[in-house]
Order: sequence, then structure tokens, then C-alpha cells
Amino acid sequence: SAVISQKPSRDICQRGTSLTIQCQVDSQVTMMFWYRQQPGQSLTLIATANQGSEATYESGFVIDKFPISRPNLTFSTLTVSNMSPEDSSIYLCSVEGDRGTYEQYFGPGTRLTVT
Amino acid sequence: LAKTTQPISMDSYEGQEVNITCSHNNIATNDYITWYQQFPSQGPRFIIQGYKTKVTNEVASLFIPADRKSSTLSLPRVSLSDTAVYYCLVGDRWSNYQLIWGAGTKLIIKP
Repeated sequence: SAVISQKPSRDICQRGTSLTIQCQVDSQVTMMFWYRQQPGQSLTLIATANQGSEATYESGFVIDKFPISRPNLTFSTLTVSNMSPEDSSIYLCSVEGDRGTYEQYFGPGTRLTVT
Repeated sequence: LAKTTQPISMDSYEGQEVNITCSHNNIATNDYITWYQQFPSQGPRFIIQGYKTKVTNEVASLFIPADRKSSTLSLPRVSLSDTAVYYCLVGDRWSNYQLIWGAGTKLIIKP
């Protein structure tokens, strides 16, 4: 199974600023996913990031607000731009399983608070 | 896209068997069913996956009837550490890749 780390684990930011979250995987993976999870709620997919192509965003999420980079097969970043208190949430990255199943492995998440 | 419906919460006691049922009436032919477990302040963790009938691994069993419109996650002899939120997902690799998460079931195990 893949081991995923995220940085930072948590942060408190002021509105109007931007935060870049890093996701590092210990093995090469094609598909990476970025989710948002508000406290006590389920996960909402932000975008799918495949290496070598532009990220695919879900309805309600736009590249200007959540730019994503995927420079190689083990790393991705998600930036939360021009933050507002409504962006306070946990941001999770995940990768596809390595056994040809639909399993996803998740990072520990980044808890973001915007004041 | 297949949509899932689960009970919002369930209670049980240590040592009991717990069954959590998920409804997915619009499941497609190519869709698989996957269950995840999530503890507070952690990312979800894969529990089990199946397509039809019964699947068993070291931590759980998954029962899927012939019409596949529902599935039941069975946790044998639960302990306090099984207190978590359990999510049921359906989908196939080539369409939504099981990326639509329902509300999940909050399972509380009591001593």
C-alpha cells in the first residue's frame, strides 16, 4: 500500500491569503485526487490530477481558486487562493490503489482555518 | 452516477457483530462496491470491496445480494476501536472512479 504524507498538517491563515498544500507519495502513481472535508461532513472531490495533464475539476471548483500542480508521479500540490472563512476545512489527497482495484489510499489531511 | 444511502448513525456493544447496510438502487453493471473507515483527524482507510455475493477479509465481510441494489458490511466482534465513520461507495474505474462519497454511517461502540 502507498504511504502518503501531507504538509502542512494544519495552518491558520488570514482571509485574502493563499496556502499551498503538498502531497508526497512513497511510490509512483498515475492518479491523484484532492478532496475537501468540512468538519463532521463527508468528502467532496475537488479535482483529479494526473501527471502530465491538466487537473480535472469537479463542478463548483475552479482552477483560479484551487490551482493544482502535478510535476511528477510522486508529488502534487493544491493551492487554496484568496482564502475566506468558508474555505476552512480539511483537505485530503489520495492516490489510486496499486493492485488494479478501485481502492484509494489517503493522506492524513491538512486542517485549514481561515480567520 | 450511482448514489448511496446509509443510516446516519448506529450504536452497538463490544463483542457484538455489527451490520451496516448501504442502498444503491442505481448501481451500474460495471460498478464495484467499496467500504472505507475513517477515524477522527485521519484520512479514510479501505476496508473491503466486492462486486457480487460475498467477500471476506481479515477485518470484515461484505454481502451483496443478486440484484446488487444494496450491500451489507459486517464487522465481527467489534471493539471500542471500531468506533468510526463508515462510507459506502459505488462506481467503476473508468467513469467516476468511486469518487462520490455519501454521508457515511457513524458507528459508536459502547463498553
